[in-house]
Amino acid sequence: GNSVTQMEGPVTLSEEAFLTINCTYTATGYPSLFWYVQYPGEGLQLLLKATKADDKGSNKGFEATYRKETTSFHLEKGSVQVSDSAVYFCALIRGAGSYQLTFGKGTKLSVIP
Amino acid sequence: NAGVTQTPKFQVLKTGQSMTLQCAQDMNHNSMYWYRQDPGMGLRLIYYSASEGTTDKGEVPNGYNVSRLNKREFSLRLESAAPSQTSVYFCASSETSGRINEQFFGPGTRLTVL
Repeated sequence: GNSVTQMEGPVTLSEEAFLTINCTYTATGYPSLFWYVQYPGEGLQLLLKATKADDKGSNKGFEATYRKETTSFHLEKGSVQVSDSAVYFCALIRGAGSYQLTFGKGTKLSVIP
Repeated sequence: NAGVTQTPKFQVLKTGQSMTLQCAQDMNHNSMYWYRQDPGMGLRLIYYSASEGTTDKGEVPNGYNVSRLNKREFSLRLESAAPSQTSVYFCASSETSGRINEQFFGPGTRLTVL
């Protein structure tokens, strides 16, 4: 079946540090990949997505590249801010006709001034 | 444009009690979903409704029922609550299925079953 594995947190960084959150996946076919972010007390928001191999999703300074050869979709940001403190979820969905998002367990990021 | 709304925000139940969680979306989306979020588990799909008039089981449907009341509303019912159903419940909606399926989430309902 499908699965998503994220690096375990929590991750604590100083402001302006470089961020990487690792995500690898197992899926049949050609899934689409997503990063969702959950701020404290809120629901999930889509951060970025990629629908085919070598696509790079980007938003708000975050980037992730769909690497089919390594089945990975690592999230990166060059300079984090305190406002980036949140829980980040990697997720996948299989192809046409699929409804179910498969989520990783989430990685909590705390950015300190 | 409120997006996806959920009621209530918090609820405490005793074992064996029943309740219905309400969800509504104003984006004219065809598909709606119910997830539960447990610590260290990510989100798991309980039920989904691909379109008005249809519902299907997800990964963890036991102990739950759903109703797609109309295109806007999708409710989740716990007939006899159990402590194992203590969780945060999220409703989501999307325009369609498949590879470009972006799901939009509500703010969640935090449920405690004593």
